[in-house]
Amino acid sequence: DTEVTQTPKHLVMGMTNKKSLKCEQHMGHRAMYWYKQKAKKPPELMFVYSYEKLSINESVPSRFSPECPNSSLLNLHLHALQPEDSALYLCASSQGPGADTEAFFGQGTRLTVV
Amino acid sequence: ELKVEQNPLFLSMQEGKNYTIYCNYSTTSDRLYWYRQDPGKSLESLFVLLSNGAVKQEGRLMASLDTKARLSTLHITAAVHDLSATYFCAGYQGGSEKLVFGKGTKLTVNP
Repeated sequence: DTEVTQTPKHLVMGMTNKKSLKCEQHMGHRAMYWYKQKAKKPPELMFVYSYEKLSINESVPSRFSPECPNSSLLNLHLHALQPEDSALYLCASSQGPGADTEAFFGQGTRLTVV
Repeated sequence: ELKVEQNPLFLSMQEGKNYTIYCNYSTTSDRLYWYRQDPGKSLESLFVLLSNGAVKQEGRLMASLDTKARLSTLHITAAVHDLSATYFCAGYQGGSEKLVFGKGTKLTVNP
C-alpha cells in the first residue's frame, strides 16, 4: 500500500471561513509534508513533520496552521485566506531522512478562495 | 541551499523521436527523484536514484545520476503521445527532509 489519501478533493471557501484539509497514510512513514502548487509551477514546500513534530516551516503565513495528531494523520487548518491562496495543496509522506525510498503524494485538494 | 535546475522547461517532440531532459543541482544531494504530473493531477513517482552511476529504466524512460557532475538525466526513447506530461526532478537538501523540486519540464509529444 503506497497510498496517501487527502480529503476533500475540492474546496471552495470564503475569506472569512475556517476549514481544514486532511491527509492520511498507513505506510508507517515518519515524515509528512504539505506542499502548495500554483498552476504551471513546481510544488512549494510549506511544512514538514518528522516523528509527529514540526521540523520545517517555510515561513508560511499564520493563516495556515498545520497539525499532526498522530503518525498517520496530518491536517492543515485554514483561516482568513486570501484569493491568492487558491492552489492545489498536496500532502506527501516518506520514510524520513536517510531512507532510500521516495516521497509519496496524495491526490491533492484543489482549493479556491472566493 | 539546494537549487535544482531543469532544462528544457518546454519540450515539443514528435512521436518516435528521442530526447533528454537534464537536471542539475547545486549542492550535494545524496538522492535524486523523478516525478511525472498530468494536468490537474498529483505527482507520480517514476525513479529513485540513490548513488553515483545509478541507471533506472521503465518502458521508454531511462534515468541516470552522476553525482560528481551533479547531473541527472531523463532520456525518452521513441516517444509516444501518452508520455505527454510535466516531469519534475527533485532532491533532498543536505540530509534534511526538505524535498526541493526543479521547475519542471512540460513535454508534449505530437503525432
